[in-house]
Amino acid sequence: DTGVSQDPRHKITKRGQNVTFRCDPISEHNRLYWYRQTLGQGPEFLTYFQNEAQLEKSRLLSDRFSAERPKGSFSTLEIQRTEQGDSAMYLCASSVVTEAFFGQGTRLTVV
Amino acid sequence: GIQVEQSPPDLILQEGANSTLRCNFSDSVNNLQWFHQNPWGQLINLFYIPSGTKQNGRLSATTVATERYSLLYISSSQTTDSGVYFCAVAGGTSYGKLTFGQGTILTVHP
Repeated sequence: DTGVSQDPRHKITKRGQNVTFRCDPISEHNRLYWYRQTLGQGPEFLTYFQNEAQLEKSRLLSDRFSAERPKGSFSTLEIQRTEQGDSAMYLCASSVVTEAFFGQGTRLTVV
Repeated sequence: GIQVEQSPPDLILQEGANSTLRCNFSDSVNNLQWFHQNPWGQLINLFYIPSGTKQNGRLSATTVATERYSLLYISSSQTTDSGVYFCAVAGGTSYGKLTFGQGTILTVHP
């Protein structure tokens, strides 16, 4: 069991650029979640996949954000036209039914 | 949605002391997890405990689902216990989507 893996661990980008993050869940886990955590806060839910279907999106996920999970395996989260307010830790989690396991996160800094 | 409140927000201890962290939630849940966030930001699973009591070494947790609270006990604290502790819950129709509390920042001094 290699755990949930996220790439990259850190990303610094200029405002207006597009960025893409990848999450590889635990292999037998069919549920995958993205969360965002800003400084001093708990993580907040962004979106949820069951296999390849995106079943729920938070209102936090503006139209600049898009997530995919082709073939129900890894997932990508893309942010277009980044803004300074997008600076945060982006966390991915996976589960079979209930207990969730998190990756190391991708820390995004928009300058 | 479910509301989650953690207390205290900050806790400072001397090494060897015991502590209790509390998590109150506003509705029935089918998942409750305690996490420790390490300095690099990763959430480490401590307990999956929607009800009942569990122990793992110096840590133990109790969830009283009917009264909508959970407690995390840390005994004989060590400096490596420092960090942020989060409680997170999920309700019956939420597909396992977790709602997190604001966390308790624990600092253990040698």
